[in-house]
Amino acid sequence: DTAVSQTPKYLVTQMGNDKSIKCEQNLGHDTMYWYKQDSKKFLKIMFSYNNKELIINETVPNRFSPKSPDKAHLNLHINSLELGDSAVYFCASSQDLPTEAFFGQGTRLTVV
Amino acid sequence: DQQVKQNSPSLSVQEGRISILNCDYTNSMFDYFLWYKKYPAEGPTFLISISSIKDKNEDGRFTVFLNKSAKHLSLHIVPSQPGDSAVYFCAASPPQAGTALIFGKGTTLSVSS
Repeated sequence: DTAVSQTPKYLVTQMGNDKSIKCEQNLGHDTMYWYKQDSKKFLKIMFSYNNKELIINETVPNRFSPKSPDKAHLNLHINSLELGDSAVYFCASSQDLPTEAFFGQGTRLTVV
Repeated sequence: DQQVKQNSPSLSVQEGRISILNCDYTNSMFDYFLWYKKYPAEGPTFLISISSIKDKNEDGRFTVFLNKSAKHLSLHIVPSQPGDSAVYFCAASPPQAGTALIFGKGTTLSVSS
C-alpha cells in the first residue's frame, strides 16, 4: 500500500507539448511538495501546498502550474515543454513542518 | 548558493567496515537535519534525523553526529553491508513554517563484499 504514489513513472514527450504528473498520498498529511532533481542531482523544491493552499512557489517558469484538488492530491501540469525540463520530478508529503517528508518514486521526464 | 553541501560525490567501503558520510551547512538557523537514502529508480526514503539540540542520534547500525560550531554533520554506518549501497542525501529543515527541506547533492556509497 504505497504511501506517496505518482504517475506516470516515465514520460517521454516532444518539445512544445503539455503534460501532467499526478501525485496522491494516503498518509493524511497536510503538506505536499514537488521537487525537481536535475542532471546535477540536486533535489530542489518547486512548490509546496498546505491544505490545498500554495505556500511555497520557488523561482520556477510559469509554464509549471501545480493544482491541488484536495489535500491528498497535488498534480503538476507543465505547458510548452522544453528540453531543459528533462529531469526527475518527485512528489512528497509531510505533516506540518517539513520533517521526515515521504517521497514518491519519481517521474523521469524526457523531452525530445 | 548551496546551503547544504556534500563534498564527496562517492565513497567506497568494504563490507563490515565503517562508512562515514559527511555534510556541511551554512545556515546556523537550521534546527533539524535528516539523512535520506535513495536507490536507483526509487524515491528518497527517510533514514535518520537529529535535532539541533542534540549532538548524536543512534538507530541500529546508523548514527548521526552533529557539530553545530563547525556546522557539520556526519552519518556513520557500522558495520556496512552491500545492501547499504545507495545515494545518501543530507537535508536540513529551516525553522520557519511553510518551508521545505533543503538537500545536498548526495553521496553515492558503494559497499563491496
